[in-house]
Amino acid sequence: AQSVTQPDIHITVSEGASLELRCNYSYGATPYLFWYVQSPGQGLQLLLKYFSGDTLVQGIKGFEAEFKRSQSSFNLRKPSVHWSDAAEYFCAVEDTGRRALTFGSGTRLQVQP
Amino acid sequence: SAVISQKPSRDICQRGTSLTIQCQVDSQVTMMFWYRQQPGQSLTLIATANQGSEATYESGFVIDKFPISRPNLTFSTLTVSNMSPEDSSIYLCSTHMGGEETQYFGPGTRLLVL
Repeated sequence: AQSVTQPDIHITVSEGASLELRCNYSYGATPYLFWYVQSPGQGLQLLLKYFSGDTLVQGIKGFEAEFKRSQSSFNLRKPSVHWSDAAEYFCAVEDTGRRALTFGSGTRLQVQP
Repeated sequence: SAVISQKPSRDICQRGTSLTIQCQVDSQVTMMFWYRQQPGQSLTLIATANQGSEATYESGFVIDKFPISRPNLTFSTLTVSNMSPEDSSIYLCSTHMGGEETQYFGPGTRLLVL
């Protein structure tokens, strides 16, 4: 069965600093990978996705992620964090057979002024 | 992108009662999914609901506790039965829309069981 690991439960960065959130997955085939963001009291919003092709994918709000098959990783990055980026970030992999998502445990991002 | 709505947005319920959560999608979809997010936790798939067939439940979730209906291609309900405080969670529905591979989520239903 597939699994997703987000090793960082909580990260604090200063506004304007760069950000990298780690995600490792376990899946037997070529994965469909996603990053979602959940702001306090809000639903899940898709940041970006990877299905195939270029391993560096661009998303909304200035986020990008790089798929590295050799490392089974799909890390999320942003060059300059804004205070509004404070939220919970979830990495997910889709079981392309069942089409259901398996989520990582999430990383809570705090942004210091 | 998809428009997915859920009702109610939140509720406070007494233990032993049941609550039915509705999920409405603005276009016809084949598969709908129900997830649970317990306080401070990640999302866990409860079941997959296809129109015209019984829902498929994940390990640890049973139909008697979480009956699901899927009467048409735009609507589904999840009932949380005989509730206990451990059922306090956010319940989210999701689906793929417009032939995309991406799952879109409803805003969620925040349930508190006293």
